[in-house]
Amino acid sequence: NAGVTQTPKFQVLKTGQSMTLQCAQDMNHEYMSWYRQDPGMGLRLIHYSVGAGITDQGEVPNGYNVSRSTTEDFPLRLLSAAPSQTSVYFCASRTGDNEQFFGPGTRLTVL
Amino acid sequence: DAKTTQPPSMDCAEGRAANLPCNHSTISGNEYVYWYRQIHSQGPQYIIHGLKNNETNEMASLIITEDRKSSTLILPHATLRDTAVYYCIVKVIPSNTGKLIFGQGTTLQVKP
Repeated sequence: NAGVTQTPKFQVLKTGQSMTLQCAQDMNHEYMSWYRQDPGMGLRLIHYSVGAGITDQGEVPNGYNVSRSTTEDFPLRLLSAAPSQTSVYFCASRTGDNEQFFGPGTRLTVL
Repeated sequence: DAKTTQPPSMDCAEGRAANLPCNHSTISGNEYVYWYRQIHSQGPQYIIHGLKNNETNEMASLIITEDRKSSTLILPHATLRDTAVYYCIVKVIPSNTGKLIFGQGTTLQVKP
C-alpha cells in the first residue's frame, strides 16, 4: 500500500492564483481530513470528510473548498491564494478512531 | 476537547529510556489520550493511545495516572531516529471529525 499520497510536494503561487492540492489514499478509509501547519505551530483542521459525497468544515475553512467524489481522493482547492495561506498542508485518512495516517505534506508559498 | 501541557523540550541519551510527560488535568471521562510524533516536518505519525489502563505496543508504552490527570509516554530504548516533536492529544471518541488538536508538543533530542 502507498498509504496517503500528496501532490505536489512544493508549490509557489502568486496572490490571487488558484490551485488544487491532491490527496489520495489506497486503504479504503472512509474518513479523510486536511490540516495546515504554520511555522512553529501545531496542525489545524481545515476540512474533513466522513465518506464519499460528504464534507464539512474544520476550524480554519475560509479560502478553501473540498469535494469527495470517490473514497480514494480528497482534493483541496485554494480559490484565490493569499500570503496568509503560506503553510504546509497535510492530508490524513483513518478508519475509526485508532490512528490517523498522514501524507508527506505539500509546502505552499504564496507571494 | 481537554487541553494538554507538555514541556517544550527534553534531551535523552541514545539507548536510554525517554519519558515524556503530559498534563491533562481537565480531561473528561470519555476523552482518550493520544500520542503522535512529527519527525522533521514529515507528516505526524501515530504512536499510541489509551483511556485509563496502561498501554504498550511495539513503539512505546503509555502510562496514565489513576486520576487520569496526567500521562507519560515511554520510549524504552531511544535511538537517534526518535528525535522528533511529540504531541500529547486528548480527544473524545467516537468522533466524526477525527479532529486532532495539536499543541506545541515536546521536542525530544536524542543524543549519542
